[in-house]
Amino acid sequence: QVQLQESGPGPVKPSETLSLTCTVSGGSISSYYWSWIRQSPGKGLEWIGYIYYSGSTNYNPSLKSRVTISVDTSKNQFSLKLSSVTAADTAVYYCARGSWLLTLWGQGTLVTVSS
Amino acid sequence: EIVLTQSPGTLSLSPGERATLSCRASQSVSSSYLAWYQQKPGQAPRLLFYGASSRATGIPDRFSGSGSGTDFTLTISRLEPEDFAVYYCQQYGSSPPTFGGGTKVEIK
Repeated sequence: QVQLQESGPGPVKPSETLSLTCTVSGGSISSYYWSWIRQSPGKGLEWIGYIYYSGSTNYNPSLKSRVTISVDTSKNQFSLKLSSVTAADTAVYYCARGSWLLTLWGQGTLVTVSS
Repeated sequence: EIVLTQSPGTLSLSPGERATLSCRASQSVSSSYLAWYQQKPGQAPRLLFYGASSRATGIPDRFSGSGSGTDFTLTISRLEPEDFAVYYCQQYGSSPPTFGGGTKVEIK
């Protein structure tokens, strides 16, 4: 069955760029929308944005100025970049299948922003 | 954006009891584009319902969803041990999609 797995380099310092990749296994990334969501104690669940396999994107207005989501169909992966991070960006980051309705989620990865 | 308010914050019940969870929207949810998710500790959310009342694949029929407009309900007819978790509602009818703050169903 289709599985999603987030990966990333670990802790991020304030003002730097957070980078995460989601690898889709057991199925093709094509013909679907793919999203990033985050969860923090302070803000709960927050949808970050989605990308279609063809490359079109849609972002949460609250994060739009700092977010870039990209896709690499040859690797069956899509990625998140969030720039100029602060402690408020500390959260568990999930990738998921779907645009606004999220039908399948990865297990999530904790990203801590700290100097 | 649409704000979703879930109540109660915590529901303390025993296995076999009925659970009723509420989700209220700050404005009408377009076409009942309301979803429910279940999240257990250390796990990702799992989709339970979409379209307010359509069960996702593999969800047992002791779970039911209902509602329209601004008021939605998730009901678990008889709680099983594996049902104790946090439940979130989400509207996906208008941008940006938003989530409620969650209801924790805990063992009494």
